[in-house]
Amino acid sequence: AQSVTQPDIHITVSEGASLELRCNYSYGATPYLFWYVQSPGQGLQLLLKYFSGDTLVQGIKGFEAEFKRSQSSFNLRKPSVHWSDAAEYFCAVGAPAGNKLTFGGGTRVLVKP
Amino acid sequence: DAGVTQSPTHLIKTRGQQVTLRCSPKSGHDTVSWYQQALGQGPQFIFQYYEEEERQRGNFPDRFSGHQFPNYSSELNVNALLLGDSALYLCASSFGQRNTEAFFGQGTRLTVV
Repeated sequence: AQSVTQPDIHITVSEGASLELRCNYSYGATPYLFWYVQSPGQGLQLLLKYFSGDTLVQGIKGFEAEFKRSQSSFNLRKPSVHWSDAAEYFCAVGAPAGNKLTFGGGTRVLVKP
Repeated sequence: DAGVTQSPTHLIKTRGQQVTLRCSPKSGHDTVSWYQQALGQGPQFIFQYYEEEERQRGNFPDRFSGHQFPNYSSELNVNALLLGDSALYLCASSFGQRNTEAFFGQGTRLTVV
């Protein structure tokens, strides 16, 4: 069974500082990996995705993520955080031929001025 | 492009009642998946509809049922509502059952009292 763990429930970061959100997954082969962002009361917006190839993927809003097979991780990073990045971030895994996405519990990011 | 649209945005129901939530997929998409997101948690997969049939189901009781129409729109029905059914219900659309890029709607916030 596939599963996703996001170890950090809350992260507080100062505006302009760097941000890294952790994601560990459990899956038998190479999965499809995703990061979504959710603003309060909103749906999910796709930030980036990894299917295969280059293990460093670029997404929208200046985010990037690195797939590390040996660590079963897919951590999300941003070099300089803006106040508008305050939101909840979800990592998700899906089977290449599967139908569903399995989400982690999310990390809430607070941005200090 | 209107993206994925869900209705209604908010709903209050009484325990034991039945509810129907609606979803229109993004233009060009033919697959609709439904997720339940309880407060403070990540979304949980309920089921997916493709070609008007339920293709995969998550760990949800039979009280949760759905339907897909020829125009690819979908309904989620929940019978005999419980307090624990209070959640944000998210609809995601994609093409050809693939996980490659699922677009999410804004969700329907269901409160059971």
